[in-house]
Amino acid sequence: SQQGEEDPQALSIQEGENATMNCSYKTSINNLQWYRQNSGRGLVHLILIRSNEREKHSGRLRVTLDTSKKSSSLLITASRAADTASYFCATDYPNDYKLSFGAGTTVTVRA
Amino acid sequence: GAGVSQSPSNKVTEKGKDVELRCDPISGHTALYWYRQSLGQGLEFLIYFQGNSAPDKSGLPSDRFSAERTGGSVSTLTIQRTQQEDSAVYLCASSLGGSDTIYFGEGSWLTVV
Repeated sequence: SQQGEEDPQALSIQEGENATMNCSYKTSINNLQWYRQNSGRGLVHLILIRSNEREKHSGRLRVTLDTSKKSSSLLITASRAADTASYFCATDYPNDYKLSFGAGTTVTVRA
Repeated sequence: GAGVSQSPSNKVTEKGKDVELRCDPISGHTALYWYRQSLGQGLEFLIYFQGNSAPDKSGLPSDRFSAERTGGSVSTLTIQRTQQEDSAVYLCASSLGGSDTIYFGEGSWLTVV
């Protein structure tokens, strides 16, 4: 399977702390995208990082990509209760633009 | 609309009935995707449309599932003779194509009783 795999499966942190989750994949990718999902409904796009990029930032989010290790990380800094959600990485591959998703990391931010 | 729109939001149907789920992609997006997510699981790819090309149907789980996209815009996912294992959230997404950002709708929650 070409699916990405997130690690850890679940993460519980105190408000204000940082949260880091990782994603690994098996074959060379075009892009890797991170999504957030609240309450099992629609996915909200967070960041797209291309295979020739190593790091991207968006507000309190930082994504890194290490193509030599076939892995990516998502860091949420200064977490808030509203960051409580499931986070998914998704990859697409050369000439195959459908996204392959991992099982996700469930993040709980405690007040 | 500004985003991907799906209807109905929720659907409860009896086992054996057919259901249709609708997706309105973002205006101008040529690529459209359907995914399925069972409770507590990741997303399972179903089908992908890109412009006028033949759709990639490799993810459809059985011949009870079909999808069409009319006029390169609106798409309908049809599930015939629904089974209880079809209960899931069905998510539609669209993009400009290629390796562009893919945007998801809020999903249609299907419950088969």
